[in-house]
Amino acid sequence: EVQLLESGGGLVQPGGSLRLSCAASGFTFSDFGMRWVRQAPGKGLEWVSVIAYNGIHYADPVKGRFTISRDNSKNTLYLQMSALRVEDTAVYYCVKGLTVASNWGQGMVVTVSP
Amino acid sequence: QSALTQPASVSGSPGQSITISCTGTSSDIGDSKYVSWYQQYPGKAPKVIIYEVSNRPLGVSNRFSGSKSGNAASLTISGLQDEDEADYYCASYTGSSALLFGGGTKVTVL
Repeated sequence: EVQLLESGGGLVQPGGSLRLSCAASGFTFSDFGMRWVRQAPGKGLEWVSVIAYNGIHYADPVKGRFTISRDNSKNTLYLQMSALRVEDTAVYYCVKGLTVASNWGQGMVVTVSP
Repeated sequence: QSALTQPASVSGSPGQSITISCTGTSSDIGDSKYVSWYQQYPGKAPKVIIYEVSNRPLGVSNRFSGSKSGNAASLTISGLQDEDEADYYCASYTGSSALLFGGGTKVTVL
C-alpha cells in the first residue's frame, strides 16, 4: 500500500523559511516523479513543484523561492520554502506521479502570518 | 499557466446523471492525453477517479466516466448517490510538466 507522510509544517512569519518532508513507502520511490500540490483555505488545488526524470519544474508563484529535492536512499521528498508570503498559506500535499496525481499524502498545514 | 475552467457547482437528485465540464486551451487539454479527475471530501486529501481522459483506477465505481473533445473534458456521474456529494477537480498534464487544475466543482445531491 502506497503511503505518503508529510511533516514539517507550521506557523511562520512573512519572509521566513520552512522545510517540508514527505516519507514515502509501499512503492519503488526512485521510479516515480513526485509533486507538491497546495490548497489555500477554501480554494482549489494548485501544483507547486515537480521532480522527475525530465527535471525539476516550479509553478510561477513559487519560482526562485521554493526548492524541491529528493533523497532516494531515504525514500523522502522535500520542499524548502523561503521568502514565504501570506499567500503561501495552504495545506501542502505530497503527491506521487508525473502525468497523474495517483496518490496523495494527508496534507500538511503551512500558515504564514505576522 | 491559467487554471482550467469548471462550473462552481452542479446538483442533481439521487439516481440522476450529472456532467461536469472542464475547459482549457489548445496548450493544455487540447494537446494532452493526460486529463484526470479528482474527488475531494471536506477536510480530506483528493483521490483520483479518472486518469488519461477515461480510465478508472481499480476500486473506483463505474458510475464515473470521463471524456474529452477538443479543448474540453467532461466527467459524468451516473446514478447519483448521496456519497457522491463532494468537490471535483479536473487536471491536465502539460508538456512543461505542469499539472494544471480546474477551479473545482461542488456537487450537491438534492
